Amino acid sequence: QVQLVQSGAEVKKPGASVKVSCKVSGYTLTELSMHWVRQAPGKGLEWMGGFDPEDGETIYAQKFQGRVTMTEDTSTDTAYMELSSLRSEDTAVYYCATGTRKYSSSWYYWGQGTLVTVSS
Amino acid sequence: EIVLTQSPGTLSLSPGERATLSCRASQSVSSSYLAWYQQKPGQAPRLLIYGASSRATGIPDRFSGSGSGTDFTLTISRLEPEDFAVYYCQQYGSSPRVTFGQGTRLEIK
Repeated sequence: QVQLVQSGAEVKKPGASVKVSCKVSGYTLTELSMHWVRQAPGKGLEWMGGFDPEDGETIYAQKFQGRVTMTEDTSTDTAYMELSSLRSEDTAVYYCATGTRKYSSSWYYWGQGTLVTVSS
Repeated sequence: EIVLTQSPGTLSLSPGERATLSCRASQSVSSSYLAWYQQKPGQAPRLLIYGASSRATGIPDRFSGSGSGTDFTLTISRLEPEDFAVYYCQQYGSSPRVTFGQGTRLEIK
């Protein structure tokens, strides 16, 4: 049974960066492929990027290329998502999500979400 | 780029009725890589169906998925009060690697 516990809510000013963490328990990060999804208030789900086991690398949605960095600390089984040059449109709940195995194409496990508010 | 279009945008039904939700892809999607999620207010999405038709662990059998190619369907055979939520389809495959539909809101009539 995988549990994903995310860091707490953040308030940032436009132009700043935010780094959200996702602590894995029950499995090790190396057994999973972690993805990040965000949801703006009242809007749908938007995939930001994640680990692609077929390519063996992290891939990003084109919309976020150059502004997002996803990293993993396997010593602590913690995944991170850092988004830079924040603007008001980045206000959203950010989720980490993963499947039951490394090559899962759907995500059974989700973090509780981290609200990031971008406001001057 | 694969775009997923869900219909209807909102579906108003009563408990006990049957719900049929549609997800249409702009290009063919492998059935192995089509999933459905349920999301309630203030909660993370919950995986219902993967591989187009396989129920995730713990999902009641009133939920079923079907379809292939560009047309996929989520059916809820007899609506329970807890089923009223927003439903999303998701594909995993070609560029972009992952896309979601815009969602269908299932509301109580």
